[in-house]
Amino acid sequence: QVQLQESGPGLVKPSQTLSLTCTVSGGSVSSGSYYWSWIRQPAGKGPEWIGRIYTSGNTDYNPSLKSRVTISLDTSKNQFSLRLTSVTAADTAVYYCARDRVFYFDQWGQGALVTVSS
Amino acid sequence: DIQMTQSPSSLSASVGDRVTITCRASQNINTLLNWYQQSPGKAPKLLIYATSKLQSGVPSRFSGSGSGTDFTLTITSLQPEDFATYYCQQGFSSPRAFGQGTKLEIK
Repeated sequence: QVQLQESGPGLVKPSQTLSLTCTVSGGSVSSGSYYWSWIRQPAGKGPEWIGRIYTSGNTDYNPSLKSRVTISLDTSKNQFSLRLTSVTAADTAVYYCARDRVFYFDQWGQGALVTVSS
Repeated sequence: DIQMTQSPSSLSASVGDRVTITCRASQNINTLLNWYQQSPGKAPKLLIYATSKLQSGVPSRFSGSGSGTDFTLTITSLQPEDFATYYCQQGFSSPRAFGQGTKLEIK
């Protein structure tokens, strides 16, 4: 059973860059069968898809965040990462990494709360 | 972008009841509609994909139907562990989008 685990700072200052890493165990990020996605959820709201990466390195981002988002893959560490620049309080949320079966997300990490505050 | 709208936003029911949650897409998404269950403090869990296909390990009291723009999630014989928030999600086009959620509460 594949497992995903998010890691990174829980507090980021406004205008700075949010960086999170997802470590995958029990499976390989190099598998051609899946994409790997980041999804966030502000408190009390529905999830918002941020973007995804394929094993080839091809990415697909939500246009609402595209100018600020970079998702990358590190196959040597079996990890993928999220960078979100110029953060504001509106970026405060629980951030999830997930295995993406093209049309749906079948495995999720437990989530990482990131608060944007000075 | 495709918008997903769920109704109702909240629902009260009792153990043993049958409930239905509706999800509407702003445009035709064929049958590429998925349902997730989220308990407090937990990640969403995939219940149903492609409108009606039950994810492995999900009890058969959960079922889904619909096509095009209108979809339903039905839970028969509610169990205590089913009281949670449910989200629909379209897999038809990018960006992927979720509904705002339906909170199922104990009456």
